[in-house]
Amino acid sequence: AQSVAQPEDQVNVAEGNPLTVKCTYSVSGNPYLFWYVQYPNRGLQFLLKYITGDNLVKGSYGFEAEFNKSQTSFHLKKPSALVSDSALYFCAVRDMRGDDKIIFGKGTRLHILP
Amino acid sequence: NAGVTQTPKFQVLKTGQSMTLQCAQDMNHEYMSWYRQDPGMGLRLIHYSVGAGITDQGEVPNGYNVSRSTTEDFPLRLLSAAPSQTSVYFCASSYSSSGRETQYFGPGTRLLVL
Repeated sequence: AQSVAQPEDQVNVAEGNPLTVKCTYSVSGNPYLFWYVQYPNRGLQFLLKYITGDNLVKGSYGFEAEFNKSQTSFHLKKPSALVSDSALYFCAVRDMRGDDKIIFGKGTRLHILP
Repeated sequence: NAGVTQTPKFQVLKTGQSMTLQCAQDMNHEYMSWYRQDPGMGLRLIHYSVGAGITDQGEVPNGYNVSRSTTEDFPLRLLSAAPSQTSVYFCASSYSSSGRETQYFGPGTRLLVL
């Protein structure tokens, strides 16, 4: 069965600094990987996904993520953080070889400090 | 398009009561799913459906039933509510069950079981 881990409950970054939110996964086949963001009292919004191809994926709001098969990671990054990036971020995985489940991590709360 | 809609937005139940959380989408999506969100637990998959007439269990299916009689609707039923089911419930849909597509989330239903 697939699983995904977000090892940090919270990440604090000063505005203007680069940010990284970590995600590692476990699948038996190849993964489809996703990042979603949740703003307070809202549903989840899609940021970006890795399906196949280039390991560096660019998404909404200036975010990008790098797929690393050897480290089974899919870390979310942004070169320069904004206060408005403060939110809850979720990584999700689907195992191409498995069933149709899409499993989410526990989420990482990102605080951008002005 | 209204996207994914969920009703009610908020509900209070007594232990042992039953209720149905409604979810509808107008995008002709094949794949629909229900998640619950709890602090420190992230999003956990309850049930999912890859098309009308087909449902399957997710990570935490106990205490919940689903059905998918139409493409548009995917209701979640609590037959006998328990305090452990206090949570925020999100419905999501995507175009197909291939796992490659972005999921669209509803605004959520906040459920309190006393």
